[in-house]
Amino acid sequence: DAEITQSPRHKITETGRQVTLACHQTWNHNNMFWYRQDLGHGLRLIHYSYGVQDTNKGEVSDGYSVSRSNTEDLPLTLESAASSQTSVYFCASSRSEGNTQYFGPGTRLTVL
Amino acid sequence: QKEVEQNSGPLSVPEGAIASLNCTYSDRGSQSFFWYRQYSGKSPELIMFIYSNGDKEDGRFTAQLNKASQYVSLLIRDSQPSDSATYLCAVFSGSARQLTFGSGTQLTVLP
Repeated sequence: DAEITQSPRHKITETGRQVTLACHQTWNHNNMFWYRQDLGHGLRLIHYSYGVQDTNKGEVSDGYSVSRSNTEDLPLTLESAASSQTSVYFCASSRSEGNTQYFGPGTRLTVL
Repeated sequence: QKEVEQNSGPLSVPEGAIASLNCTYSDRGSQSFFWYRQYSGKSPELIMFIYSNGDKEDGRFTAQLNKASQYVSLLIRDSQPSDSATYLCAVFSGSARQLTFGSGTQLTVLP
């Protein structure tokens, strides 16, 4: 069955370290997204991609970067982790713009 | 003003009752509307989507869309304790090319 996976599921890191969160989908979806979810803020869009080599900034992109070299993967990199980036991160994918987004299981990141 | 507004709740209903969840949005050009359910510690999962004005029914769930009033709602009939979760409203704007989520409404169905 097609699915979307994220790794690691839990990560603890220190401030200033570079961290990469992986997202892999086997839906063959063109579109992939990264969100963070914090209490009181709901899901906020970090970056998104509407195809290979396409990346776009979302609402809360500062301190994050993505690259899309193939259809299946959209890794999210925190260049220099900050305590404010402690959050739960969700990856999602969709077939096309405006279609249903399917979410991965999430990564809980703690920055000490 | 947040683009997608939901009553944060918590909303409590007795088992068997109808739960009504509401959402308003600010972008008149919004095209697609989604309701997700999220259990504590889990990822959001799609319940329903709706594109056109009116009602759309799927089992115990009914989504209602009124684009003139910029309002979308979700009704859950015969609520069950297993429906206890946070319900997220999401709106897709063609101009922004993004899905925007509300903060969610926490629903508790009391046995």
